[in-house]
Amino acid sequence: NAGVTQTPKFRILKIGQSMTLQCTQDMNHNYMYWYRQDPGMGLKLIYYSVGAGITDKGEVPNGYNVSRSTTEDFPLRLELAAPSQTSVYFCASSRDRGSQPQHFGDGTRLSIL
Amino acid sequence: AQSVTQLDSHVSVSEGTPVLLRCNYSSSYSPSLFWYVQHPNKGLQLLLKYTSAATLVKGINGFEAEFKKSETSFHLTKPSAHMSDAAEYFCVVSDPVAGKSTFGDGTTLTVKP
Repeated sequence: NAGVTQTPKFRILKIGQSMTLQCTQDMNHNYMYWYRQDPGMGLKLIYYSVGAGITDKGEVPNGYNVSRSTTEDFPLRLELAAPSQTSVYFCASSRDRGSQPQHFGDGTRLSIL
Repeated sequence: AQSVTQLDSHVSVSEGTPVLLRCNYSSSYSPSLFWYVQHPNKGLQLLLKYTSAATLVKGINGFEAEFKKSETSFHLTKPSAHMSDAAEYFCVVSDPVAGKSTFGDGTTLTVKP
């Protein structure tokens, strides 16, 4: 049982480039999330989804976009990479939103130079 | 509105001695509370959760936490630290109705031999 899988694990981008961070889960969870983790800080919610075709903004959505065409996949897109987007990105999923724990991937470490 | 404060950014203990990681929360409703552990270069893993059942919650690896409504606290404890417990620990408060989760900034636990 793979759980939540994120790719790539590491990436270096130049300012202005774009990329997509991939996330897939095999637990048939309806709820999926994208977080960023900056040094010494907790996780900040970027976007979340309550099911295929439904997404919504979190606390820090600027500069990012998401889509949810299937239950399993929830990619995060950076259109014009900026140094402020250097961070570790985590994808998570859960059976419901609030009372059930979230299952996390191992993260994507992204540097924008 | 909800918030969570982890009272210590760093805690250092000797192997075999007790561990106490402190978490205070603020919430307008009956929250769900979670503790997660993050080892280096890994995602967050659930240690334990409180969802309005027993106030003393037992988790994995010998950890437990006590929900104290009067003190708005959810401190994490372990009777005897092991070297493998060295990691980052996050306290999370969630609104089970609205589904919003708020992460603390984390506590780094160091275990000395």
